[in-house]
Amino acid sequence: GENVEQHPSTLSVQEGDSAVIKCTYSDSASNYFPWYKQELGKRPQLIIDIRSNVGEKKDQRIAVTLNKTAKHFSLHITETQPEDSAVYFCAASIGGGSYIPTFGRGTSLIVHP
Amino acid sequence: GAVVSQHPSWVICKSGTSVKIECRSLDFQATTMFWYRQFPKQSLMLMATSNEGSKATYEQGVEKDKFLINHASLTLSTLTVTSAHPEDSSFYICSASSTSGFTDTQYFGPGTRLTVL
Repeated sequence: GENVEQHPSTLSVQEGDSAVIKCTYSDSASNYFPWYKQELGKRPQLIIDIRSNVGEKKDQRIAVTLNKTAKHFSLHITETQPEDSAVYFCAASIGGGSYIPTFGRGTSLIVHP
Repeated sequence: GAVVSQHPSWVICKSGTSVKIECRSLDFQATTMFWYRQFPKQSLMLMATSNEGSKATYEQGVEKDKFLINHASLTLSTLTVTSAHPEDSSFYICSASSTSGFTDTQYFGPGTRLTVL
């Protein structure tokens, strides 16, 4: 089955800095890669996703890049703010049909004011 | 759009009792609903996948007789924890994917915190 590795497990940055979280996956058939943000005690919220037909997607301060050859994808957050502090999860799946996601272990992002 | 509700948001029960958790897609029809369990500071652990009108598919190591899942309609799935024990205490989260549009995007419920005394 699919295996998703996520690094780092903890990331501490100063407000205004950039943050990068990286994930690798094992199943070359995976074609859908969402990123979720989970604040303490709350539900995971989809913040951005990318499908295998594109290499990069951006939404304001958040961007995701995908390298299908190397089987890795990354979340980039620029100009971080304290409210970006949360746990971020990446996931990989074979979209369309029997979609079952595999989640990474999560990255705890701490943005210091 | 794409709102998923979960009820109750928290529940405390005595050991040996059963607890039912409901997951509803409020403004869309869900092809598939998923049930996860999450321990503190850990990732989401998929317990089972359910499709409307059919039996749930359980992940390896998840007892189907203990965690009963019913997906009666395209907007409702329930998880019943039977004969709950303290080790079942956890945060249970459901998610749903739509029958239309991008069917691979999951929308999560707010979670149910179960505490078994």
